[in-house]
Amino acid sequence: GAGVSQSPSNKVTEKGKDVELRCDPISGHTALYWYRQSLGQGLEFLIYFQGNSAPDKSGLPSDRFSAERTGGSVSTLTIQRTQQEDSAVYLCASKARADYNEQFFGPGTRLTVL
Amino acid sequence: AQSVSQHNHHVILSEAASLELGCNYSYGGTVNLFWYVQYPGQHLQLLLKYFSGDPLVKGIKGFEAEFIKSKFSFNLRKPSVQWSDTAEYFCAVTHIFGTGTRLKVLA
Repeated sequence: GAGVSQSPSNKVTEKGKDVELRCDPISGHTALYWYRQSLGQGLEFLIYFQGNSAPDKSGLPSDRFSAERTGGSVSTLTIQRTQQEDSAVYLCASKARADYNEQFFGPGTRLTVL
Repeated sequence: AQSVSQHNHHVILSEAASLELGCNYSYGGTVNLFWYVQYPGQHLQLLLKYFSGDPLVKGIKGFEAEFIKSKFSFNLRKPSVQWSDTAEYFCAVTHIFGTGTRLKVLA
């Protein structure tokens, strides 16, 4: 019954390390999105999963970013060899299938790369 | 390329003033339009949406938006803002978001 959850809420890492961010969508929602929110940049679309279809990866900024969604539910966003410019809030959202349905957002993970 | 433009990045108003936030989009597919709001310390949440029918849509807390197809616009309006409307507002076309508008309402 809960909303979208994300973990960890905060992550501090050193430049060059890999990080994994987790998203638990609302049960029954077939679509899942990842966004990056930076100050003054709005929400930058990263990747979109819809059911069993191939994900739309068109927003991933580099090959250091990847995401997977296991069993149509939980998703993990992985950033390899983190850089300082990766510092941002990473938001996850889920929605029921129809295009006119709204997205429900999680609280985000604040990533700081030192 | 798909894009959403929000022209006002920061807006400061006094209580009871009228509000209009601009949103223009460039999108090749079926247009589903949304306004989301993020209050300080809270998650993004839906304010209102348009996908078909009456181009003037009403949302929560007295907000409304008008879809004008010929202008590729979906501007957000509120006749009289309150201090509690202080927040960041995002326009979206499906999953493409604008850069947001920070609204500060002075009591």
